[in-house]
Amino acid sequence: DAGVTQSPTHLIKTRGQQVTLRCSPKSGHDTVSWYQQALGQGPQFIFQYYEEEERQRGNFPDRFSGHQFPNYSSELNVNALLLGDSALYLCASSLGAAGGPQHFGDGTRLSIL
Amino acid sequence: GQQVMQIPQYQHVQEGEDFTTYCNSSTTLSNIQWYKQRPGGHPVFLIQLVKSGEVKKQKRLTFQFGEAKKNSSLHITATQTTDVGTYFCAGPVRGGYQKVTFGIGTKLQVIP
Repeated sequence: DAGVTQSPTHLIKTRGQQVTLRCSPKSGHDTVSWYQQALGQGPQFIFQYYEEEERQRGNFPDRFSGHQFPNYSSELNVNALLLGDSALYLCASSLGAAGGPQHFGDGTRLSIL
Repeated sequence: GQQVMQIPQYQHVQEGEDFTTYCNSSTTLSNIQWYKQRPGGHPVFLIQLVKSGEVKKQKRLTFQFGEAKKNSSLHITATQTTDVGTYFCAGPVRGGYQKVTFGIGTKLQVIP
């Protein structure tokens, strides 16, 4: 039973560039949420995808966008990268979009130079 | 917006001592979830509490959900070095599609 998988594991970018992160949910899950976790902080909710649509969004600018595919996998895109975007990006899957337990992947460590 | 607060932010205990972390929400929660994140790892779901006043146990861990469904606690009895990590509480924001809001976490260090 495959858990949540994310790619890549690590990424180094420079300011102004764009990045795409990928996530495959746990088998049987249909909802994907993305979180940003800065060092020493709790995961901050970016957005949630259910039925291929963005259903909820946190306090993140439009530079952060996403997509969910028919097989429930998801992408997170960040444009015009800033130094402050350096963080661990976590994908979590769940069953339904009713705020149930989140199953996290290992995350993508994004460093902006 | 909804806020989930946790105290303390850091806790050092001697191995064998007990540990408690507290969680408070600015709004009533439909459920409260607890997660553990080991250093260098990702948050791992531990438990979900749904009912007012609910108490659940997992071996040495005891989880409580307050009567008003706005606060919760996690108590670890006789800590071990394997308990090291950051413990997060999290709760869903009310609405049709609910996002799960995390607290800042309590980082537990266990001194052998």
